[in-house]
Amino acid sequence: EPEVTQTPSHQVTQMGQEVILRCVPISNHLYFYWYRQILGQKVEFLVSFYNNEISEKSEIFDDQFSVERPDGSNFTLKIRSTKLEDSAMYFCAVTGQDSYEQYFGPGTRLTVT
Amino acid sequence: AQTVTQSQPEMSVQEAETVTLSCTYDTSESDYYLFWYKQPPSRQMILVIRQEAYKQQNATENRFSVNFQKAAKSFSLKISDSQLGDAAMYFCALAGSNYQLIWGAGTKLIIKP
Repeated sequence: EPEVTQTPSHQVTQMGQEVILRCVPISNHLYFYWYRQILGQKVEFLVSFYNNEISEKSEIFDDQFSVERPDGSNFTLKIRSTKLEDSAMYFCAVTGQDSYEQYFGPGTRLTVT
Repeated sequence: AQTVTQSQPEMSVQEAETVTLSCTYDTSESDYYLFWYKQPPSRQMILVIRQEAYKQQNATENRFSVNFQKAAKSFSLKISDSQLGDAAMYFCALAGSNYQLIWGAGTKLIIKP
C-alpha cells in the first residue's frame, strides 16, 4: 500500500492569504488527486494530475486553485486568495499498483479566519 | 452523471455482532469500480475494500465483505464480528473511467460495548 504524507497537518490563515498544501508520496506514482471535505459534508473531487499535467478538474477547481509538482516529488495545491468557505480537510491521494485504487494521505485541515 | 447514495446517516451495532451498511449508485459506464473507505476520528481516509464491476464474485477482506448487486446498482458492506476499532464514518465511493472518486454522504458506525 503506497504511503503518502501531507504537510502541514493544520494550517490557519486569514481570508485573502495564499496557502500551499503539500503532498509527498513515499514512492513513485503517476496519478495524483486532491479532494476536499468540508466539515459535515461529502468528500469532493478537486483535480487529478497525471504525467505532470492536470487530467481532470471539477467545477470547484477555479482560477484561485493551482497544482504543480515542482521538484518531481512534492505535489502541491495552491489556493491564491483564501475564502472562508475554503475551510475544509484537504486530502491528497495517489494510486497504487492498480491505477484505480487510491490511497490517501492524512489530510491537511485548513482553517480560514 | 454519476451518483452515490448512502441512506443510513448512522448505524449502531453490538460488539461482536454483524452489521450491514447500504450503498446504491448510478452510472452509465460499463466499467467502473466501487470502494468502501473508513474515516476514524483522526479523519484519515482508509481503503477498506474494493470491487471491480466486471467481477461477479463479491470481494472479501478478513471481516469485511461486500454484497455487490450490479443489476440493482447496490453495493453494501458487511462487517462481521464488529470490534470497537471499527467505529468510524464509512464512505461508499465510485470511480469510472476517469478514476475520480464520487462519494456518498457517509454512514456513522457506532459500536456498543
